[in-house]
Amino acid sequence: EDQVTQSPEALRLQEGESSSLNCSYTVSGLRGLFWYRQDPGKGPEFLFTLYSAGEEKEKERLKATLTKKESFLHITAPKPEDSATYLCAVQSIRGGGADGLTFGKGTHLIIQP
Amino acid sequence: DTGVSQNPRHKITKRGQNVTFRCDPISEHNRLYWYRQTLGQGPEFLTYFQNEAQLEKSRLLSDRFSAERPKGSFSTLEIQRTEQGDSAMYLCASSPLRISSYEQYFGPGTRLTVT
Repeated sequence: EDQVTQSPEALRLQEGESSSLNCSYTVSGLRGLFWYRQDPGKGPEFLFTLYSAGEEKEKERLKATLTKKESFLHITAPKPEDSATYLCAVQSIRGGGADGLTFGKGTHLIIQP
Repeated sequence: DTGVSQNPRHKITKRGQNVTFRCDPISEHNRLYWYRQTLGQGPEFLTYFQNEAQLEKSRLLSDRFSAERPKGSFSTLEIQRTEQGDSAMYLCASSPLRISSYEQYFGPGTRLTVT
């Protein structure tokens, strides 16, 4: 059974204080690893897809990296508007790539001005 | 707005009643997914359609739950004889049918409260 564990559960940073969120996973053949941002009361917003170990993707202050066992979401010089819950999810190759995603519980990030 | 839309956004119902939710995917997205999310948890996969065919169902999808996608366009999720444990956010997502493109785009969700 696919599993995703995210840490920390919650993180409070000062504006401009860089940090990293961790996503550890076990999957029977990784099709892709996905990062989403979710604001309260809203649906998850797609950020990145990573497909193979060593791959990196960047968007504004966010950078996602992938190894064979975990992924990191690095946040550089965050701003208060980066406050949200960040979700990590995996998709296995079991169903030919169209399986539903298995999500972690998320990291609740608060950026204080 | 060309994103995924869901209706209603909120639904309050009494235990034992039936409810139905609708999802309109992004135009030309062949894949459609339903998830359920409770407070403090990540979304949990319920079921998946490719065009009008329902290809996968999670064991979370009890006999009281049924989903359809007639003509491969919008989808409906029905819950019969609702229970208090069904209270959750129900999320719909869609994905294009393209090789090497598996990201799913989520709608705003329907929040169900069973009293």
